Amino acid sequence: DAGITQSPRYKITETGRQVTLMCHQTWSHSYMFWYRQDLGHGLRLIYYSAAADITDKGEVPDGYVVSRSKTENFPLTLESATRSQTSVYFCASSVGAGANVLTFGAGSRLTVL
Amino acid sequence: AQSVTQPDIHITVSEGASLELRCNYSYGATPYLFWYVQSPGQGLQLLLKYFSGDTLVQGIKGFEAEFKRSQSSFNLRKPSVHWSDAAEYFCAVGSNFGNEKLTFGTGTRLTIIP
Repeated sequence: DAGITQSPRYKITETGRQVTLMCHQTWSHSYMFWYRQDLGHGLRLIYYSAAADITDKGEVPDGYVVSRSKTENFPLTLESATRSQTSVYFCASSVGAGANVLTFGAGSRLTVL
Repeated sequence: AQSVTQPDIHITVSEGASLELRCNYSYGATPYLFWYVQSPGQGLQLLLKYFSGDTLVQGIKGFEAEFKRSQSSFNLRKPSVHWSDAAEYFCAVGSNFGNEKLTFGTGTRLTIIP
């Protein structure tokens, strides 16, 4: 299906485990983003990518790793999950730089016990 | 640093009544302003955006917003809400420098009562 898809939609894990959230887009958008959404904080940028093999930190990158070997995929990995990483994670994409509109995935709800 | 304030965490409105959601921003230059809506269990969807020109912008689903530079505001309005408008609404401020500079507000949850 066309669009931006995230998987899994729901994940429960334990402290210290590695978790990878997947994001796949079918538009060949250059830019992709990972946000986390927490009550009282709105959306905060974790990492973003301007193109394949180009990634950069956002506002809250600690504890997360990203990669982008292909334009359409932008996985987010929590190498050793902590309870503070319990959140809803959104992937987004945009055509290019500048004030382009972001298109969001449906989100991945992660609970770290 | 740029910032966005949505002073109302939760608003309850009767179906058919008018709606105004407040958004105040802080930005050193001419901002790019957005309103996104998040329905339960869904990602964010763009309602409308302001880049330049006419300060009253029309969006989808009958929403509009007015950019007021003197008040640093970009309030969202709808003349008559529908039950399907129940959702969370996010205001965001950005610039032409890149979407990585986009800053979101904390959101306003809208409840519609029959």
